[in-house]
Amino acid sequence: AQSVTQLDSHVSVSEGTPVLLRCNYSSSYSPSLFWYVQHPNKGLQLLLKYTSAATLVKGINGFEAEFKKSETSFHLTKPSAHMSDAAEYFCVVSGPGTASKLTFGTGTRLQVTL
Amino acid sequence: SAVISQKPSRDICQRGTSLTIQCQVDSQVTMMFWYRQQPGQSLTLIATANQGSEATYESGFVIDKFPISRPNLTFSTLTVSNMSPEDSSIYLCSAKPDRGTGELFFGEGSRLTVL
Repeated sequence: AQSVTQLDSHVSVSEGTPVLLRCNYSSSYSPSLFWYVQHPNKGLQLLLKYTSAATLVKGINGFEAEFKKSETSFHLTKPSAHMSDAAEYFCVVSGPGTASKLTFGTGTRLQVTL
Repeated sequence: SAVISQKPSRDICQRGTSLTIQCQVDSQVTMMFWYRQQPGQSLTLIATANQGSEATYESGFVIDKFPISRPNLTFSTLTVSNMSPEDSSIYLCSAKPDRGTGELFFGEGSRLTVL
């Protein structure tokens, strides 16, 4: 069984300040983990993925995430927020093997203010 | 990666009618998935549509309500049958590249409003 918990339903930051979106996971196996972003009225776009290689994963648009097995966490960060980062972010866990289903978190809405 | 096109992008439907959503992938993929995203919520998997086999439905979803076709490796359809206002949602098609690392690629979704 696997699950993922996004600890904040809503995060608000000022433009130019750091972003931290928190995600904890639970998995019986060595998981694959993903972050997706959904802008208003759009589909989901893959930001980054962890698949048992380097624990610090860099994604698009300056985002990165660190896999911490001891803390069962996969938090998403960005050093400096931009207005265009305002969107819904989903943390996703998958079991081993490419045939495994993905389990989505409940999402975190990121608001960026001037 | 995979580029996924869905249509319609949005529609307004009358109660009791059915609507078919089409999903086209720009490359051949074995595994395709249909998700529902209700207003303000996360994604819920409706079914897995693998080419060459019957669709596999998740708990709470049945074939009579959500029939799926998968005629080839680049195309799938989802029909929402006998719609009610509770079916108002975004329906998302996704595909998992055969040579990827387990990630999904998504279409932009079909936003259905049932009156």
